[in-house]
Parts: sequence; structure tokens; C-alpha cells
Amino acid sequence: GDSVTQMEGPVTLSEEAFLTINCTYTATGYPSLFWYVQYPGEGLQLLLKATKADDKGSNKGFEATYRKETTSFHLEKGSVQVSDSAVYFCALSDAGNAGGTSYGKLTFGQGTILTVHP
Amino acid sequence: DADVTQTPRNRITKTGKRIMLECSQTKGHDRMYWYRQDPGLGLRLIYYSFDVKDINKGEISDGYSVSRQAQAKFSLSLESAIPNQTALYFCATSIRGLNYGYTFGSGTRLTVV
Repeated sequence: GDSVTQMEGPVTLSEEAFLTINCTYTATGYPSLFWYVQYPGEGLQLLLKATKADDKGSNKGFEATYRKETTSFHLEKGSVQVSDSAVYFCALSDAGNAGGTSYGKLTFGQGTILTVHP
Repeated sequence: DADVTQTPRNRITKTGKRIMLECSQTKGHDRMYWYRQDPGLGLRLIYYSFDVKDINKGEISDGYSVSRQAQAKFSLSLESAIPNQTALYFCATSIRGLNYGYTFGSGTRLTVV
């Protein structure tokens, strides 16, 4: 079945440091890939997504590129802020292909806790 | 008001009790999901529903049941709660067709003692 593996955490950085959180996946077909962020005490929010190979998703200074050859979707940010402290989840969606519709069921990685210090 | 509302936000219950977690949405989405979150395990799918008459088991449905009372309401029940069902539970919605991702509720923290 589909699976998502994220780098082990937690990750602790100083403000303005470069961030990479690795994510690799196993899936049949052509999944869509997502990064979600969960701030303390809140639900998950969609951070960015990519729906086909070589697509780059970006939002709030975060970027991730859909690499089909390496089955990866690593999250990067050039200069983190204290406000970026959160849990980050990589996820994939079974694209289906039944009549062109998407099943839309998400499979999540285990999450990576990021703490940014001033 | 939030797009996806979960009630209660926190609940402590005793082993063996029946408990219901409720979810309602104003997004107009046809698809709804229940996930549980455990530290180090990410989110795991319990049940999902693609419309009122379509209910499907997820990867960890044992010990749980659901009811889709209306397009906008999707409830999760624990018929006889046990301590290893202590977790953070999330309801989510999505729209059919184009992988726009999910909209999540704020979660229900359930503790079974």
C-alpha cells in the first residue's frame, strides 16, 4: 500500500537557519503530494502541494519539489523564524484515475517537530 | 465560525463507556474523514465517507463506528472505550475531483481512563 516516510525529528534550529525536512514516498500510480503544518493546539493546515512530477509547491517561504525519480518531496525554507515552530506532515493522495476523479484519501507521514530558537 | 467544527474539544471518559465525537462542516464538501493522531505515528485513517450513503473503513476501524447523518455531519463513536484509544482525533473534509487537500477541524483530545 501507499506509505510516506519523513526524516526523524525533532529538529531544532536557530532563527534564520536553513531548513530541510526530508520526505520520501511509496505509491502506485501518480499521487499528489502535500505538506501540512500543525501549530500548537490547532488542527492541520495545508502548507503547499504538488500534483505532478517536477511541480514545485511554495507558500510562506517554504518550497518542495515533486521528484518522481527519487520518490521524494523534501520541504525547504531558506531562513526560518520562531513562528515556524510547529509539526510538519508530509502526505500523499491516491489519485485514483477512476473516470478522472480522485479518491482523495490522504496517507500521512509520522510528522516532524520543528523548534526554532531566537 | 470555523469551517469544520468538532465537539467536544476535550473529553475524559472511563473504560467501557460509549462516547460520540461529532463533526460538522460549512464547506459544502461531499467527503469527510476521521483520523486519529498519536505521537510518532502521524495521522491514521479510521473511517471515511464520500457521500451520505457511502461509508468506508480506514486502516484502523476496529473499535470504532461512524454515522453520516447529513452532508454536513459525520460522527465517530467508540462503543466501549479502552485506554489505547486515548488520542487526538481529527475530522477533515475534502472536495471531489481535484486534490485540493483537506480542511481539518481543531481536533478532539480524548482520554480514556
